[in-house]
Amino acid sequence: NAGVTQTPKFQVLKTGQSMTLQCAQDMNHEYMSWYRQDPGMGLRLIHYSVGAGITDQGEVPNGYNVSRSTTEDFPLRLLSAAPSQTSVYFCASSYGRAPGETQYFGPGTRLLVL
Amino acid sequence: ELKVEQNPLFLSMQEGKNYTIYCNYSTTSDRLYWYRQDPGKSLESLFVLLSNGAVKQEGRLMASLDTKARLSTLHITAAVHDLSATYFCAVVMTTDSWGKLQFGAGTQVVVTP
Repeated sequence: NAGVTQTPKFQVLKTGQSMTLQCAQDMNHEYMSWYRQDPGMGLRLIHYSVGAGITDQGEVPNGYNVSRSTTEDFPLRLLSAAPSQTSVYFCASSYGRAPGETQYFGPGTRLLVL
Repeated sequence: ELKVEQNPLFLSMQEGKNYTIYCNYSTTSDRLYWYRQDPGKSLESLFVLLSNGAVKQEGRLMASLDTKARLSTLHITAAVHDLSATYFCAVVMTTDSWGKLQFGAGTQVVVTP
């Protein structure tokens, strides 16, 4: 199993540009989520999905869209990039509801918005 | 709203000595996780704690959970350089069946000779 994969690893955008961060998992996990990591703030939940076709907002959803058309993929779209979106983005997945389910994190995407 | 506070935020350790990282949270929870992150890397799961009084140990790391005090501790015994990393606790609210993680700010650990 490849686990949780993310592409690209690093991206530079100009303000106003759009892009999609890709996330895929091959573990048949129901639950997938996106976090952003900023210095001194830990990780904050952007959006999450509990299955194909089902998504919901997390703590910091503004400026981001998601969709989940398949179990495996959970892309994160930046509609109009802003410097405040400069961050490291992590995708995570887990089997589902059972207590103790570990969330597995991808390698991350470093995004710089100029 | 669930708030998670870790302290200290930075911890300089001497090799061979013992230290503790604290994780306090504001609402009821029955799931608490500890993760480790090396610089520029992803997060690695260390422990999952599910009940009051739960204790888990792996090598020089031991984590415990007191749900009544809303407190988890990560104890490091006889620190070694390889334990240098940032450690995060993350909490799931009792009412959240899907396990949305609320993270603490992290504790950066540097172990020196």
